[in-house]
Amino acid sequence: QSALTQPRSVSGSPGQSVTISCTGATNDVGDYNYVSWYQQHPGKAPKLMIFDVSKRPSGVPDRFSGSKSGNTASLTISGLQAEDEADYYCCSYAGSSWVFGGGTKVTVL
Amino acid sequence: EVHLLESGGGLVQPGGSLRLSCAASGFTFSNYAMSWFRQAPGKGLEWVSVIGGSGSSIYNADSVKGRFTISRDNSKNTLYLQMNSLRAEDTAVYFCAKRGMGDFWSGDFDYWGQGTLVTVSS
Repeated sequence: QSALTQPRSVSGSPGQSVTISCTGATNDVGDYNYVSWYQQHPGKAPKLMIFDVSKRPSGVPDRFSGSKSGNTASLTISGLQAEDEADYYCCSYAGSSWVFGGGTKVTVL
Repeated sequence: EVHLLESGGGLVQPGGSLRLSCAASGFTFSNYAMSWFRQAPGKGLEWVSVIGGSGSSIYNADSVKGRFTISRDNSKNTLYLQMNSLRAEDTAVYFCAKRGMGDFWSGDFDYWGQGTLVTVSS
């Protein structure tokens, strides 16, 4: 159960778009369309933003979108807003288990 | 409104035991798989264990196999995590979370509790 690889940080100005990558292997991200993304503000519980690679739960703004190509999944935040500043974690099914990425801090400049 | 409230965390010595509880409300508890996750101080999220709605399907992370046991009491709308043989590396905030309506392994945990801190130290 190796961790997925995410960049430590990404940043953007309000209104810009940022993309967070999540690289796994053929036995997790590459083999299954069970990738989810969570947003976590400091001291708070995680919040589900994307599941099944690209599905958005009700209530999540359509500024958030997910995709996957091969062993790499991506989360794109369009029209960046101040409240989007948080840590983001990707998660993938890995055969009777889930594995997370190390997390990416998104900074709104 | 869905609400999840963890309890049972605290300070325990290495080798000791602790049982966490997660009281659920606002949804039909027995219809949903539930899971435990943890987050060591300043670190990322880690999945710990999952249990199906009826309690018949259980899976654990390799890091806790043989030491942690997940269970649920659907009559009390409560999820549990029995933690034995605790180690310093088990120190973390433990979150319970409710699965959504997707496939069992979808990873769509749509509601989370606020977490309870477990500290393993002598």
